Amino acid sequence: GNSVTQMEGPVTLSEEAFLTINCTYTATGYPSLFWYVQYPGEGLQLLLKATKADDKGSNKGFEATYRKETTSFHLEKGSVQVSDSAVYFCALNLGETSGSRLTFGEGTQLTVNP
Amino acid sequence: NAGVTQTPKFQVLKTGQSMTLQCAQDMNHEYMSWYRQDPGMGLRLIHYSVGAGITDQGEVPNGYNVSRSTTEDFPLRLLSAAPSQTSVYFCASSYRTGGDTQYFGPGTRLTVL
Repeated sequence: GNSVTQMEGPVTLSEEAFLTINCTYTATGYPSLFWYVQYPGEGLQLLLKATKADDKGSNKGFEATYRKETTSFHLEKGSVQVSDSAVYFCALNLGETSGSRLTFGEGTQLTVNP
Repeated sequence: NAGVTQTPKFQVLKTGQSMTLQCAQDMNHEYMSWYRQDPGMGLRLIHYSVGAGITDQGEVPNGYNVSRSTTEDFPLRLLSAAPSQTSVYFCASSYRTGGDTQYFGPGTRLTVL
């Protein structure tokens, strides 16, 4: 079946540190890949996405590259801020063949200390 | 645009009670869906709809019913609440199916005693 595996959290960093959150996937097909962010008490917001191999999604200083050969979509940011503290979810979507459902990883809690 | 709205924000039920979680979107999106979020399990799809009058089951549909009489609204019904349905429920919508971005509502936190 289809699945997403994220690095276990929680992750705690100091402000301006480099961030990597690993995400790998298993899919029977060619999925679109997403990173969603959930701030405390809120719903999920799209952070970035990539729809085909070698695409790079980027937003708010975050980046992730769709690597088909390693089935990965790792999230990176060069210098995190306190305001980046949130839960980050990696997800895939195989389109209409799977009911357009998003398959999520477990989420990674990030805390950034000043 | 209000985006995706959900009501109520919080709800406490007793086992066996029924209730409806409301979801509405004002973006003229065809695709709508319901997820539940449980600790350590990410989000799991309950039901989805690709347009008015069309619904289908997701990964964890048991105990839940849906209908889609209009493009805007997609209510989720709990017929007889059970403690296992204690969770945070999110509604989402997108313009199309496939890899289109899905927009999430703020969630409903449900506790079943």
